[in-house]
Amino acid sequence: DQQVKQNSPSLSVQEGRISILNCDYTNSMFDYFLWYKKYPAEGPTFLISISSIKDKNEDGRFTVFLNKSAKHLSLHIVPSQPGDSAVYFCAASATSGGSYIPTFGRGTSLIVHP
Amino acid sequence: ETGVTQTPRHLVMGMTNKKSLKCEQHLGHNAMYWYKQSAKKPLELMFVYSLEERVENNSVPSRFSPECPNSSHLFLHLHTLQPEDSALYLCASSQAPGTLNTEAFFGQGTRLTVV
Repeated sequence: DQQVKQNSPSLSVQEGRISILNCDYTNSMFDYFLWYKKYPAEGPTFLISISSIKDKNEDGRFTVFLNKSAKHLSLHIVPSQPGDSAVYFCAASATSGGSYIPTFGRGTSLIVHP
Repeated sequence: ETGVTQTPRHLVMGMTNKKSLKCEQHLGHNAMYWYKQSAKKPLELMFVYSLEERVENNSVPSRFSPECPNSSHLFLHLHTLQPEDSALYLCASSQAPGTLNTEAFFGQGTRLTVV
């Protein structure tokens, strides 16, 4: 029973366009959400996060949107660059319940074509 | 340089072997984790150590035995593994558990193949 779902295993985008990666969750106790990026042969690296008290967080080309009522979040990358090609993991944790440990989705492989 | 270093990067072992994975962090973090990543599966949390005490064991078989001698080092001792245990094993660290806005920093992983 997956609590964090990334239903698209892969996404292909042209350089300069917007990449939108989606993530859905089922546990209503989740209140903190993170995105990690993973290149081959490397461990995941933290990209951006959002707390449930916000609906948007922006950091440069990366923006995360949170829709609590739909239990959905998305990561927008604008403009996409070939170096953004990686696997993106969505993660969620229920910090108010004392659980700081994130639950991860399966990941979405993003390919940005030059 | 991620601040979290795992050795070895690759390991091939037979089902009767005993081996250990090592993780070291230089970030001053108080919590360390072992995750398992199998193909097409989510990252699976295996063990959590906070202040050198195990606080979570996610129903991991006893053939995996963690050890945390201090807050900077974490080991995963492997014994009598099965081929299905072949996966990427990732170590991570973070600030003390329960801290809001806690991001985990990951090592590069050990690619384990059990033959």
